[in-house]
Amino acid sequence: TQTVSQSDAHVTVFEGDSVELRCNYSYGGSIYLSWYIQHHGRGLQFLLKYYSGNPVVQGVNGFEAEFSKSDSSFHLRKASVHWSDSAVYFCAASTYQGGRALIFGTGTTVSVSP
Amino acid sequence: DAGVTQTPRHEVAEKGQTIILKCEPVSGHNDLFWYRQTKIQGLELLSYFRSKSLMEDGGAFKDRFKAEMLNSSFSTLKIQPTEPKDSAVYLCASRGDWDYEQYFGPGTRLTVL
Repeated sequence: TQTVSQSDAHVTVFEGDSVELRCNYSYGGSIYLSWYIQHHGRGLQFLLKYYSGNPVVQGVNGFEAEFSKSDSSFHLRKASVHWSDSAVYFCAASTYQGGRALIFGTGTTVSVSP
Repeated sequence: DAGVTQTPRHEVAEKGQTIILKCEPVSGHNDLFWYRQTKIQGLELLSYFRSKSLMEDGGAFKDRFKAEMLNSSFSTLKIQPTEPKDSAVYLCASRGDWDYEQYFGPGTRLTVL
């Protein structure tokens, strides 16, 4: 059984600060990992994904994520946050062999203060 | 191209009523997903269709929840009868055959009194 965990329910940062959101997964086989963002009252939007190759992947709006097989992690980072980055961030996983539905983490709410 | 559309955006129902939520996927997408989102449980898969065939459904939702794809460009989610614990945001998403990314609609916020 796959699981995705996000240890931080809420993160508060100041505009211009860096931020790292943690995601850990459990699964023994090949896995697709991704991050989605959800602004208040809206649907989820795709940020980036990893399946293989370079463990550091770039996404939209300056976000990047790093995959670590040894740590079973896929943490999301941004070097300098903007107030518009205030949202809920979801880490998600799926396996091609197990079907194509996503399993989501519980989400991390990021609040950016001016 | 239009994204995923969901109607209505808000729905208020009395306990025991039947409600139908609607979703139109991105044109050309053959994968369609229904999720339920609550603060406590997070995002839970209700149904997954591929080319109108049901591929997966959330086991816990089988008795009162029924999703259908009437054609490749329209899906419904029926909840019958509704219960207060069904109050949540219901999200629809679609995906192209060779894509990984899912495209989400804005959701329908359901309140059951």
